[in-house]
Amino acid sequence: NAGVTQTPKFQVLKTGQSMTLQCAQDMNHNSMYWYRQDPGMGLRLIYYSASEGTTDKGEVPNGYNVSRLNKREFSLRLESAAPSQTSVYFCASMAGDSSYEQYFGPGTRLTVT
Amino acid sequence: AQTVTQSQPEMSVQEAETVTLSCTYDTSENNYYLFWYKQPPSRQMILVIRQEAYKQQNATENRFSVNFQKAAKSFSLKISDSQLGDTAMYFCAFMKQYNNNDMRFGAGTRLTVKP
Repeated sequence: NAGVTQTPKFQVLKTGQSMTLQCAQDMNHNSMYWYRQDPGMGLRLIYYSASEGTTDKGEVPNGYNVSRLNKREFSLRLESAAPSQTSVYFCASMAGDSSYEQYFGPGTRLTVT
Repeated sequence: AQTVTQSQPEMSVQEAETVTLSCTYDTSENNYYLFWYKQPPSRQMILVIRQEAYKQQNATENRFSVNFQKAAKSFSLKISDSQLGDTAMYFCAFMKQYNNNDMRFGAGTRLTVKP
């Protein structure tokens, strides 16, 4: 039982390049999330998916797109990376039961130069 | 929008002593959930403790306990018998009931446990 996995762990991009961050969970959770973590600001929600086939914007969605490929996988795409997107990105999932506990992946450190 | 404030960017404590991390939040909601997450140097976010706002009793998980003051909108975390493995960033988080897609995090408190 791997929990929530993310790839890659580290990435360096040049301004204008594109990339996709991958996330998968093996806990059969309905909800999945993408956050970014910046120094001094805690975690902020980029996009979420309440169930397979649905996605919606969070607090800071500009510059990102997402795909809920199936119940397990939820990817985050940067179409044209900007230095302001330098951050640590976390994927999380939640069962949707009354525990309201989110399970987090190990994070991806992205640097845009 | 809900906001979560952690006023202590950094704290330190001697091993085996007790430390309290502060958190305040701003909301007009009556029903919600509060969380403390731990992020060690490995970056992995781990849930430490959870409190439902409708429960008056403070949550406790082994050495971790909270002081939940609903009227004051305060949610502090007490760590007893601090251990070196408690060294981490600690984040306070808020979520409205029935809205599990809007978790709001504080900026975090970096706790160092000294031997």
